[in-house]
Amino acid sequence: EAQVTQNPRYLITVTGKKLTVTCSQNMNHEYMSWYRQDPGLGLRQIYYSMNVEVTDKGDVPEGYKVSRKEKRNFPLILESPSPNQTSLYFCASSLYRGAGGTNEQFFGPGTRLTVL
Amino acid sequence: DAKTTQPNSMESNEEEPVHLPCNHSTISGTDYIHWYRQLPSQGPEYVIHGLTSNVNNRMASLAIAEDRKSSTLILHRATLRDAAVYYCILRNNNDMRFGAGTRLTVKP
Repeated sequence: EAQVTQNPRYLITVTGKKLTVTCSQNMNHEYMSWYRQDPGLGLRQIYYSMNVEVTDKGDVPEGYKVSRKEKRNFPLILESPSPNQTSLYFCASSLYRGAGGTNEQFFGPGTRLTVL
Repeated sequence: DAKTTQPNSMESNEEEPVHLPCNHSTISGTDYIHWYRQLPSQGPEYVIHGLTSNVNNRMASLAIAEDRKSSTLILHRATLRDAAVYYCILRNNNDMRFGAGTRLTVKP
């Protein structure tokens, strides 16, 4: 089954304790992206990657890191989490077709993160 | 990115058609019109997209105005499972910018 998986689905942590949220897709997609969703602010893009070893900042990248060493995986790293990073996080992937907005994005089930 | 405007919320009765409007008066010639929806406690999912012509798929229909400054997502027979937030998004590359969307409530 074609899917985007995220782990963990739920995480409660404390300020400053490094954490990684994993994202994996089995559709051989070049493009992957991370979003956070907050009440009243909607979905905002954190980082995206157009292919292996190619990453770029989205709209809200502060406090986050990503890496893209393999095509299927795109982990989100919080080196020193803070309470304002408490949010619902979604990973997404799609084929990369350069210019043109025809490709469908597939979203993971979400990771609910609470930073105390 | 061109902006879209959608009503905050809409209500429908089960098994009746639903027309969800979206205004995008600053749309450019290369912008595709996409619709996604987010069911409760789930990630967004693709519904449909189009450029100039009306589009149909198994989930919905997309009606695009001739001047492309507005579009309407049509659910032909709403079910309780269609209750979700529906997002209208303009795209001309791989990035997506989500607005607030329209929260659709379906009444039995």
